Amino acid sequence: DIQMTQSPSSLSPSVGDSVTITCRASQSINIYLNWFQQKPGKAPKLLISGASNLRSGVPSRFSGSGSGTDFTLTVSSLQPEDFATYYCQQSYSTPYTFGQGTKLEIK
Amino acid sequence: EVQLVESGGGLVQPGGSLRLSCAVSGFSVSSNYMSWVRQAPGKGLEWVSIIYSGDDRYYADSVKGRFTVSRHNSKNTLYLQMNSLRTEDTAIYYCARGSQEPDYWGQGTLVTVSS
Repeated sequence: DIQMTQSPSSLSPSVGDSVTITCRASQSINIYLNWFQQKPGKAPKLLISGASNLRSGVPSRFSGSGSGTDFTLTVSSLQPEDFATYYCQQSYSTPYTFGQGTKLEIK
Repeated sequence: EVQLVESGGGLVQPGGSLRLSCAVSGFSVSSNYMSWVRQAPGKGLEWVSIIYSGDDRYYADSVKGRFTVSRHNSKNTLYLQMNSLRTEDTAIYYCARGSQEPDYWGQGTLVTVSS
């Protein structure tokens, strides 16, 4: 199985800050990488697929990059509604494993 | 409008069974890949299973041989039959449309396995 490692596990930025979350795969997954946002008590929301493709309706302050084993999610100019937990997921081969999550908490 | 609504969760004893349902509207389960993902209380997301439109199915090792994913096309509903349940299966179970890019998700149904 492909292991996905996210870092950091938590961040405490302020509104207006930019943050970057990294995700590393245990083997090459090409660009088969999704990013999800999850708020407490809610289902995950797909933000980015194919490593860098912003899904419809997702604000442009979210961006993704990377290929192979190393990926990043960047949120620029954080808004109050962006404080949530973010997960990466590889969709290269089953089982489609998730990272352990990165929690953004307001400073 | 696309909607997925899970049901069937509840409290079950270890070794017991449950069948989860995911009623879908706005698209057809028969022509879409469908996924199940779970989340233990306070924990991260865990991929559980996929059913493809051609009836190929895949499972996480943790549930293989105990869980079965299926669908009823005329009811436009996805199912997850869960047998030989263990305490570590306690989680919110989500269904989602898609396999590699799960774009629509239900609200989840809570399964608690406890004596």
